[in-house]
Amino acid sequence: DQQVKQNSPSLSVQEGRISILNCDYTNSMFDYFLWYKKYPAEGPTFLISISSIKDKNEDGRFTVFLNKSAKHLSLHIVPSQPGDSAVYFCAAMGPQGGSEKLVFGKGTKLTVNP
Amino acid sequence: ETGVTQTPRHLVMGMTNKKSLKCEQHLGHNAMYWYKQSAKKPLELMFVYNFKEQTENNSVPSRFSPECPNSSHLFLHLHTLQPEDSALYLCASSQDILNTEAFFGQGTRLTVV
Repeated sequence: DQQVKQNSPSLSVQEGRISILNCDYTNSMFDYFLWYKKYPAEGPTFLISISSIKDKNEDGRFTVFLNKSAKHLSLHIVPSQPGDSAVYFCAAMGPQGGSEKLVFGKGTKLTVNP
Repeated sequence: ETGVTQTPRHLVMGMTNKKSLKCEQHLGHNAMYWYKQSAKKPLELMFVYNFKEQTENNSVPSRFSPECPNSSHLFLHLHTLQPEDSALYLCASSQDILNTEAFFGQGTRLTVV
């Protein structure tokens, strides 16, 4: 059973507009959430994170929002740039079976069109 | 330069072959991980090493055998693999066991024929 779900496999946005990538999780024990960005032929790179004690974290053009009651988080990219085109992975972390575990979603492929 | 280096980048092997994947980090991290990424599936955690000791084996078949000779190097030994094992294998490291962001290598694209 998938604990971290990214229901949109792909998203296409015009340059300069806002990109919104969504992620849902099922495990209420998750207390730390991360977004990773992956270009083809490269490993994922850390983008931004948020602790469960916050509902928003902003870093430049990237903002992550967390809605704990809905078990939902989203990544906003404003304004979107062609270089943002990549696969974005949502990940969640929390105690499971006595140890911390990082669980990833399947990813959403973002295409930003010039 | 990600700080985590994986070799080889691409590997094609037969089902009777024995090969090894190598991961190296000089970030001073104490935890290292192997992940598997298959097409259209989430990243799957395979093994976790903390201070050279294996702390987690995520129900991985015995045809995958990890080795961590020191805190900077991690190997994944492969033998008698199946075509469905074809995937991108990613190594990652973090300062401590999963309480900080993990740094990933570029991955090894493995094809089993």
